[in-house]
Amino acid sequence: DIVMTQTPLSSPVTLGQPASISCRSSQSLVHSDGNTYLSWLQQRPGQPPRLLIYKISKRFSGVPDRFSGSGAGTDFTLKISRVEAEDVGVYFCTQATQFPYTFGQGTKLEIK
Amino acid sequence: QVQLVESGGGVVQPGGSLRLSCAASGFTFSHYGMHWVRQAPGKGLEWVAFIRADGSDRYYADSVKGRFTISRDNSKNTLYVQMNSLRAEDTAVYYCAKRFYDILTGYYDFDFWGQGTLVTVSS
Repeated sequence: DIVMTQTPLSSPVTLGQPASISCRSSQSLVHSDGNTYLSWLQQRPGQPPRLLIYKISKRFSGVPDRFSGSGAGTDFTLKISRVEAEDVGVYFCTQATQFPYTFGQGTKLEIK
Repeated sequence: QVQLVESGGGVVQPGGSLRLSCAASGFTFSHYGMHWVRQAPGKGLEWVAFIRADGSDRYYADSVKGRFTISRDNSKNTLYVQMNSLRAEDTAVYYCAKRFYDILTGYYDFDFWGQGTLVTVSS
């Protein structure tokens, strides 16, 4: 199984400042079809997860442009350019390149 | 708008069975693969199972293989998971989530989620 490792596990951030979360996979996420199926999810307190980014860097419908994704192969990053209060929650990376799909442990974003 | 509504959760004794349902609306259910994902209390996300749009292929996490069966009824726009031989470690909120596909974009997963249904396995 592909292991997804996120860092940091907790990220206290000042409102208006940037935040960055890293995700590393135990093997390349490049699929045989040439795509890389790495997504980022946000889970606000008491809510189900919500898709933010798919295929490394494509923002899902309705996601603010302060969220961006980058990376390749086994190393990926989610960046928030200016953190807002509504961004508080847990962020998960996930790979859909190979079954069984797997998730990172989650990174808790909180306001300082 | 896309809606996924899970039901069927509750308290069950170890070794017992439960069937969860996920009622879908707002999209052509028969065109999209579907997932079950679970989250133990205070923990992260664990992918459970996936079924293709036409039900032709199913995939499972090792932790549930042989005990859980994912299925769908496209005439009823409903996804199911039959859970047998339940264990304490199966206690979790169970979410259904959709796969997206179109000819231009290809596919990507988890574009919409339900609110979840809680399963508690306890004596």
